[in-house]
Amino acid sequence: DAMVIQNPRYQVTQFGKPVTLSCSQTLNHNVMYWYQQKSSQAPKLLFHYYDKDFNNEADTPDNFQSRRPNTSFCFLDIRSPGLGDAAMYLCATSSEVWTETQYFGPGTRLLVL
Amino acid sequence: SQQGEEDPQALSIQEGENATMNCSYKTSINNLQWYRQNSGRGLVHLILIRSNEREKHSGRLRVTLDTSKKSSSLLITASRAADTASYFCATDASQAGTALIFGKGTTLSVSS
Repeated sequence: DAMVIQNPRYQVTQFGKPVTLSCSQTLNHNVMYWYQQKSSQAPKLLFHYYDKDFNNEADTPDNFQSRRPNTSFCFLDIRSPGLGDAAMYLCATSSEVWTETQYFGPGTRLLVL
Repeated sequence: SQQGEEDPQALSIQEGENATMNCSYKTSINNLQWYRQNSGRGLVHLILIRSNEREKHSGRLRVTLDTSKKSSSLLITASRAADTASYFCATDASQAGTALIFGKGTTLSVSS
């Protein structure tokens, strides 16, 4: 009954080597979010899609991009990962923005060597 | 600046005891949500309380909201070892288009 699926669960990449994380949902929700969470910190919103409309947070580095080819899938692209990008990346969905419950995937832990 | 701040940062209790976590926030909100995160996993939604509500229950969970003090509390009664996790409050400012902002969380450890 998985509702928000993230692949892979663990990703190891090299410094500067592009990496893509994927998220899919079976909830048919309008909104998909990507969060970055570093150790012992709060999840930090990177961006979200409302349907096909992309909304970038002001302090999200240009190194982070996202694609949403259809309702079910959303991708996080890190163009040139740095050591500081090592973190847990969480995908979440909701039927509408902000005032609704968000459903999270299990996360992808990214390690940058 | 961070919207929600949980207190305490860490809490250790024995099974069967109650656990209380507090969250304070800075601006007016539409609602406040509590999430749980087991180590190395995603967040799980626990409960949502709207700004016009004062108390809400779900199983062993009781959430209160005091908008005059801009604070909320999460009470877990008769705790179990499986309740060991980090607990986050998340708020959305009442202005339209404002992101859901998570606090730093309270790490709860329940020992048997």
